[in-house]
Amino acid sequence: NAGVTQTPKFRILKIGQSMTLQCTQDMNHNYMYWYRQDPGMGLKLIYYSVGAGITDKGEVPNGYNVSRSTTEDFPLRLELAAPSQTSVYFCASSDRGGPSTDTQYFGPGTRLTVL
Amino acid sequence: KNQVEQSPQSLIILEGKNCTLQCNYTVSPFSNLRWYKQDTGRGPVSLTIMTFSENTKSNGRYTATLDADTKQSSLHITASQLSDSASYICVVITDSGANNLFFGTGTRLTVIP
Repeated sequence: NAGVTQTPKFRILKIGQSMTLQCTQDMNHNYMYWYRQDPGMGLKLIYYSVGAGITDKGEVPNGYNVSRSTTEDFPLRLELAAPSQTSVYFCASSDRGGPSTDTQYFGPGTRLTVL
Repeated sequence: KNQVEQSPQSLIILEGKNCTLQCNYTVSPFSNLRWYKQDTGRGPVSLTIMTFSENTKSNGRYTATLDADTKQSSLHITASQLSDSASYICVVITDSGANNLFFGTGTRLTVIP
């Protein structure tokens, strides 16, 4: 299994541009998550999904959108990029029990810079 | 307020030495506590998971302890290796639901030869 894969690894955006961060998992996990990690800060949950067709907001959802049309894919969309969105983005997944009972598996991250 | 605090922020030790990382939390109600290892430029990887009733859990040279009464956890690394250089993140989970994970800011460990 490849686990959780993310693309791209790095990206530089100009203010106001948009982009989609891709995330795919091949473990047939129900739960998928998007986090951002800022320097010196703990991971913050942006959005999560408990299954295909179901998404919900996390702690810091403003400026982002997600969709979950399949079990495997959970893309994160940034509209009108702002410097405050400069961060490292991690996608994660966990099995049907959710994060309270099942281990979260993280992707390698996408480093995004907005200039 | 639900918080997870880790100490020290950073630590440098000699290869072969032991070290202990601390995690204090105010998260309530408590479900379980996890320690993750995050190598530079990579995503976090789970090391241990402990529930309320567990006070020790080992994974090779890593041993985590939990005192649910004082809301403290520690991660002890024995006979450190250069590959242990990483950030170690403490995560406390309240109950079911994906929005109930509280992440510490991590301890940056550097092992030098």
